[in-house]
Amino acid sequence: QSALTQPASVSGSPGQSITISCTGTSSDVGAYNYVSWYQQHPGKAPKLMIYDVSNRPSGVSNRFSGSKSGNTASLTISGLQAEDEADYYCSSYTSSSTRGLFGGGTKLTVL
Amino acid sequence: EVQLVESGGGLVQPGGSLRLSCAASGFTFSTYSMNWVRQAPGKGLEWVSYISSSSSIIYYADSVKGRFTISRDNAKSSLYLQMNSLRAEDTAVYYCARVPYNSGWSFEGWGQGTLVTVSS
Repeated sequence: QSALTQPASVSGSPGQSITISCTGTSSDVGAYNYVSWYQQHPGKAPKLMIYDVSNRPSGVSNRFSGSKSGNTASLTISGLQAEDEADYYCSSYTSSSTRGLFGGGTKLTVL
Repeated sequence: EVQLVESGGGLVQPGGSLRLSCAASGFTFSTYSMNWVRQAPGKGLEWVSYISSSSSIIYYADSVKGRFTISRDNAKSSLYLQMNSLRAEDTAVYYCARVPYNSGWSFEGWGQGTLVTVSS
């Protein structure tokens, strides 16, 4: 099972909005509302930012939002801040034998 | 506060075995499904294995199926990963994470990870 497809990098200026895409198939992203997003700063453990497509855990800024259309999910970060610079990963449940998939990761640079 | 602390990593030769542990605190461990996720040096995240709260449902990634065994001891609030027939490509930081109570499939409360290095 191939990993979910994310852009390798995105960038934006402070205050701007960016969107990171996560493309899967009809067996994973398209089939289940079980897409989640993670933020990882260098040398740190990942942190859950969005679960089940569009839900924010307690304590996560409302500048982070998630959505899904067909086989593609998206993470949008509005009002970019310097501390948002990190790697972001999407994940989805899949009906394949492997069950869990991650995207390859997207490096966000705040200019 | 949710705390997950992984241990048991180290250097092992190809073909060898290792048992990882994850000690949970700050929540009722027995009511949460748990996962292992790994990250090779400089690479992305890879889901490894899932176990339901009662151990009745277990899943493995195809890459580790038949070699790794996930288990838990709810009385000790601990999660385990027995890794056999280790290969160089198993070299990674291994994290444990729980599935949020209100989520169908996601991972929260990640520990700091434990590094497994498979090399001769």
